[in-house]
Amino acid sequence: TQLLEQSPQFLSIQEGENLTVYCNSSSVFSSLQWYRQEPGEGPVLLVTVVTGGEVKKLKRLTFQFGDARKDSSLHITAAQPGDTGLYLCVPNPRGTSYGKLTFGQGTILTVHP
Amino acid sequence: DTAVSQTPKYLVTQMGNDKSIKCEQNLGHDTMYWYKQDSKKFLKIMFSYNNKELIINETVPNRFSPKSPDKAHLNLHINSLELGDSAVYFCASSPSDRLDEQYFGPGTRLTVT
Repeated sequence: TQLLEQSPQFLSIQEGENLTVYCNSSSVFSSLQWYRQEPGEGPVLLVTVVTGGEVKKLKRLTFQFGDARKDSSLHITAAQPGDTGLYLCVPNPRGTSYGKLTFGQGTILTVHP
Repeated sequence: DTAVSQTPKYLVTQMGNDKSIKCEQNLGHDTMYWYKQDSKKFLKIMFSYNNKELIINETVPNRFSPKSPDKAHLNLHINSLELGDSAVYFCASSPSDRLDEQYFGPGTRLTVT
């Protein structure tokens, strides 16, 4: 079984601050997704990273996949209240998983106005 | 233009009852899933269907029975409901060539009293 750690578990910040969420594992992954789940809604796919060292940007969100493909980070610049939600990193093991995603505990982000 | 829809949104019922949750997706995806999210926000896969065939069946009590009448629908029937079944149930779908990129429905909050 893969060991996946996401940190921090909780993050409460003021509007305009920057933040970084980390996702670490002892296993190598073929790809990794980041999802965001807002209260009362289902998770929404934000990005998929595939190549080691890859950086993807989605407006104020920057996603990075580690060179060794064992870790990933999500950086949010100038956070807004609309960024509030549960952020989940979902790694995909090498080989066939038949879509069996393994979600961790995630990071609950609260951005105060 | 709803992508993945679930009904009902909320379901309150008593122990021992039988209930069903319906899911429909209009994304043209071949693969659909059921997930259970507990009170600690852990999302865990229960079942996966590809073109109406069961491909993932996690350790779920046999009181839970999924049914896929066609590839756009995946329903979940639960017999003899127990208190521990209280959770939010999410339906999801994905294209067969990108199983890890899943689109989730809004969830059904089931409360068993």
